[in-house]
Order: sequence, then C-alpha cells, then structure tokens
Amino acid sequence: AQSVTQLGSHVSVSEGALVLLRCNYSSSVPPYLFWYVQYPNQGLQLLLKYTSAATLVKGINGFEAEFKKSETSFHLTKPSAHMSDAAEYFCAVSGRSKLVFGAGTILRVKS
Amino acid sequence: DARVTQTPRHKVTEMGQEVTMRCQPILGHNTVFWYRQTMMQGLELLAYFRNRAPLDDSGMPKDRFSAEMPDATLATLKIQPSEPRDSAVYFCASGLVTLLSSAPGELFFGEGSRLTVL
Repeated sequence: AQSVTQLGSHVSVSEGALVLLRCNYSSSVPPYLFWYVQYPNQGLQLLLKYTSAATLVKGINGFEAEFKKSETSFHLTKPSAHMSDAAEYFCAVSGRSKLVFGAGTILRVKS
Repeated sequence: DARVTQTPRHKVTEMGQEVTMRCQPILGHNTVFWYRQTMMQGLELLAYFRNRAPLDDSGMPKDRFSAEMPDATLATLKIQPSEPRDSAVYFCASGLVTLLSSAPGELFFGEGSRLTVL
C-alpha cells in the first residue's frame, strides 16, 4: 500500500531563509506525488505535483520539489521564506483510487 | 472559477442532534471524498465515491455516520446522533479519474464545514 511520511510536525525558519520540508514515500508502483498547502481556516490547495515527467517540479509561490527515486523522497523547498508562507503543508501519494496524505508539517516563519 | 462548495461553513449543535453537511463538487469531476480534520488525528479519510457509487467508507463510524450522493452535483455527510467527539472540520474534495489512472490526478478541496457539538 502507498504511504507517505513527513519528517517534522513543526518547522520554524526565519524570513528570507531556506525552507525545506521533508517527505518520504512508499509505493509499489511508480507514484504520483503531491504537495498541498493549507492556510488557516481554509481547505487544502495544490502547490505542485509530480506525475513521472521532470523530476524537478516547480509549483506556485516559488516552491519546488525534487523526486528522488533512489531515496524515495519528494522534499519541498523554497529558497527564501516569506511571512505569507506560514501554513500547514501536506505531502500526498496516489494510492488505489485515492490520495494518501501525510500527517502534515506546520511551517512557522519568524520575522 | 470552478470550486467545491460546502455548506454550512459553521455549525454548532447539541449532542444527539442530527447534522447534515453538503458538498457540491466541481462539475465534471467523477470522484468525491469526505475528510475529517482534528488537531489530534489530523486529516482522516471518511469515505469516497466514484461516479456516485461508494467505493470505500471504512473510515467512517458506521453506527452514526452516513454518506450519499443523491446526484452528481450533491454529496451529503450525515451524523445521527451527533456526539462531542464529532467536533471537527469536515472537508469535501473532488477530482477526475480517467482511464489512465485509478486515482485522481489532483484533488480540489472545499473550504470545510466546522462542526461543534456541545
């Protein structure tokens, strides 16, 4: 069965610093992988997705993620954090008929 | 601007009352999911439908929860009777599954229904 593990339930960075949110996946078939973001009092919205094309995927708001099959990882990065990036981030993998979500990582951005 | 619409956005009710949450998926999407989000449990999948047929509702407490899709434009999640432990934000999401993949390529989420059971 497909699953994802997000390392770190909380991550804190300073404004302007690199953002790195970690996600490892388990899948018996070539996976589709996703990162979603949830701002307070809102639903989840798609940041980016990997669907077996380019291994480096660019998303909205300056985020990108790299698919590394050898490491079964799909970490999310952004070169320079902005206060507006404070939110909860979810990694997800496509499973049988559904998406399987990780537990989420809350990103805090300090001024 | 296509979006998933959920009603009500907020609901406060007393223990034992019936609660019905509604979701209008994006037109043309053939898969609908119900999730529950709490601080303690995070995001939990309750049930999902493909072409209005239930595929899996194993995440739902069977004795009090029920989910249906009366038609392609409406999904409902009902709790009867409600209990304080049902207090959570309930999300509906829709997506499109094609012949090329068994899972949706992307899910679109509604803004959620925040339920408080006193």
